[in-house]
Amino acid sequence: EVQLVESGGGLVQPGGSLRLSCVASEFTFSNYWMHWVRQAPGQGLVWLSSINGDGSRAAYADSVKGRFTISRDNAKNTLYLQMNSLRGEDTAIYFCAREINRGASWGQGTLVTVSS
Amino acid sequence: QTVVTQEPPFSVSPGGTVTLTCGLNSGSVSSDNYPSWFQQTPGQAPRTLIYKTNIRSSGVPDRFSGSILGNKAALTITGAQADDESDYYCLLYISADIWVFGGGTKLTVL
Repeated sequence: EVQLVESGGGLVQPGGSLRLSCVASEFTFSNYWMHWVRQAPGQGLVWLSSINGDGSRAAYADSVKGRFTISRDNAKNTLYLQMNSLRGEDTAIYFCAREINRGASWGQGTLVTVSS
Repeated sequence: QTVVTQEPPFSVSPGGTVTLTCGLNSGSVSSDNYPSWFQQTPGQAPRTLIYKTNIRSSGVPDRFSGSILGNKAALTITGAQADDESDYYCLLYISADIWVFGGGTKLTVL
């Protein structure tokens, strides 16, 4: 069974940085696009970013472009999201998901709280 | 700015049929938008129901079906059950590897 486990969330001050990780198992990680999605408290799902299998293509939502960077290490089966210049509105649960067009599998999420 | 539209809160009777839709402020939804549908209950990760318009994800009951209806993507639940009470989100591919979620529809079964 596909497993995705996010980590790296926590409390960070406005303007700070955080790097999220998503460790994948039980599938050939390098064969799949991967995505980051977030959900602010009581709000809906928001697509943030995607990266292709070899890491050569990445895309971002306007809300995070220039502040967040997606990357992957296929040798470690790990997806990353580097988040800089964090704001209060970035407070959310962050989910990683495996390729939307093949019936996305989801992790359980990691909570990021941006507050002073 | 691309906006994906979904219905406000909706209710269906047990055993009834409900169709939720997913539209685009900029025009029509087609299979080229690769519509996906997700179910989420509070405190849980999303669950994929449908991808590429009408393909059911593994383990999803066949009472869930996806389609294009007119200029929107649609999710139809036939024979609604109590545990279908959830939030439902659609996701559309826009262009250049960009995806956008709809705001979600809260479905009540009563």
